[in-house]
Amino acid sequence: NAGVMQNPRHLVRRRGQEARLRCSPMKGHSHVYWYRQLPEEGLKFMVYLQKENIIDESGMPKERFSAEFPKEGPSILRIQQVVRGDSAAYFCASSDTRDTQYFGPGTRLLVL
Amino acid sequence: SQQGEEDPQALSIQEGENATMNCSYKTSINNLQWYRQNSGRGLVHLILIRSNEREKHSGRLRVTLDTSKKSSSLLITASRAADTASYFCATVAIRSNDYKLSFGAGTTVTVRA
Repeated sequence: NAGVMQNPRHLVRRRGQEARLRCSPMKGHSHVYWYRQLPEEGLKFMVYLQKENIIDESGMPKERFSAEFPKEGPSILRIQQVVRGDSAAYFCASSDTRDTQYFGPGTRLLVL
Repeated sequence: SQQGEEDPQALSIQEGENATMNCSYKTSINNLQWYRQNSGRGLVHLILIRSNEREKHSGRLRVTLDTSKKSSSLLITASRAADTASYFCATVAIRSNDYKLSFGAGTTVTVRA
C-alpha cells in the first residue's frame, strides 16, 4: 500500500512563474490537506479538500494560491506569480477519516 | 500563533539514554499527536492521544497528556542513532473542525553514537 505521494520533490522557479505541486493520497483516503513549512518552523495548515470540494481554505493566502482535488487524479496546489517568500516545503497529508493524517515526503520549492 | 510549543528546542543525548521533550498548548483540544521528521523528509506519525487519555505507549515511546496543565510529554527510551530527528506535537483544538492540525516549531533531537 503506497503512502502519500508528492511530486515533484524539488521545484525551482523564478519570480513570477507558476508552481504546481501534486499530491496523490493513500489508497482509500478521500481527505487531503496541504501544509506549508518555513525553515526552522512547524507546519502551518493551508487547506482541506475532499473530492471536488474545498472544505476549509482558511490557511491559504488570499491571492495567488489555489487548490483543487478533482474527481480523478491528484490534488493540485497552484501558486501563481511566485515570490521569494513562497520558498518553503509544502506537505500534503491524507486521511480516511478526520483522525490520523498521513504525510507525504513534501515538495521543496525554491524561488530564485 | 502556534498552538503547540515544544521544549526544549534542541536536545543532544548519548545512545542508550532516554530523551524527553514537552509540548504546551493554549486551547482545549480533542487530541494531541506526535510526529517525527528526519532531515529533509516528510513527517511520520508516531502516536495520537485523546483528551480523555492520560498516557499511551508505543514501542519505545511513551506519551503523557495533562489537560489541566495543557501539556504533553514524549519520552523515547533507550535512544538509538536512528532516533535523530525533529519531533513535533500537533493539536486538534476542540472548537475547530476536527481536522486542523496546529504544529509547534519542534524539538531537534541528536543521538550521539
